[in-house]
Amino acid sequence: GENVEQHPSTLSVQEGDSAVIKCTYSDSASNYFPWYKQELGKGPQLIIDIRSNVGEKKDQRIAVTLNKTAKHFSLHITETQPEDSAVYFCAANNNNDMRFGAGTRLTVKP
Amino acid sequence: EAGVVQSPRYKIIEKKQPVAFWCNPISGHNTLYWYLQNLGQGPELLIRYENEEAVDDSQLPKDRFSAERLKGVDSTLKIQPAELGDSAVYLCASSPSRAGELFFGEGSRLTVL
Repeated sequence: GENVEQHPSTLSVQEGDSAVIKCTYSDSASNYFPWYKQELGKGPQLIIDIRSNVGEKKDQRIAVTLNKTAKHFSLHITETQPEDSAVYFCAANNNNDMRFGAGTRLTVKP
Repeated sequence: EAGVVQSPRYKIIEKKQPVAFWCNPISGHNTLYWYLQNLGQGPELLIRYENEEAVDDSQLPKDRFSAERLKGVDSTLKIQPAELGDSAVYLCASSPSRAGELFFGEGSRLTVL
């Protein structure tokens, strides 16, 4: 089955700086790669996703890149704000089999 | 549109007691997932349903865990008997299509004493 690895496990940045989180996956058949944000006491919420036929996708301050050959994808958050502080999870999906990384706790210091 | 609804939000039980969690997915979503989330970890799949059929339950500890999705809508996850190591958050999610976005509920936090 799919195995997703995510790093770093914790990330602390100053407000206004950029944050980058990286993930690798093992199953070359995976074709959908979402990123979820989880705040304390809540369920994960989708913030951005990318499909295997696309190399990069951007939504305001958030962007995701995908390298299918190397089987890795990354989340980039620019101009970070304190409200970006949360746990972020990457995931890889092959035909409805969605597997998650272990998560990155992002702290944005004002 | 209502989101995925889970209950109870919190449950505290003593070990060896039974417990059940309920999930109501978003209307029209055929795929339903139960995930286990330990503290500081990512969600781990327990079982996935396509309509009423369990298509992936390979990670479900069948000696004590059971699940059902009657009529392909609501789902129940049961643990009997609960063990200390079962303390975690149990997340339910639903999806409208293959390789599509998962919508999560708020989760059910279980504490086993």
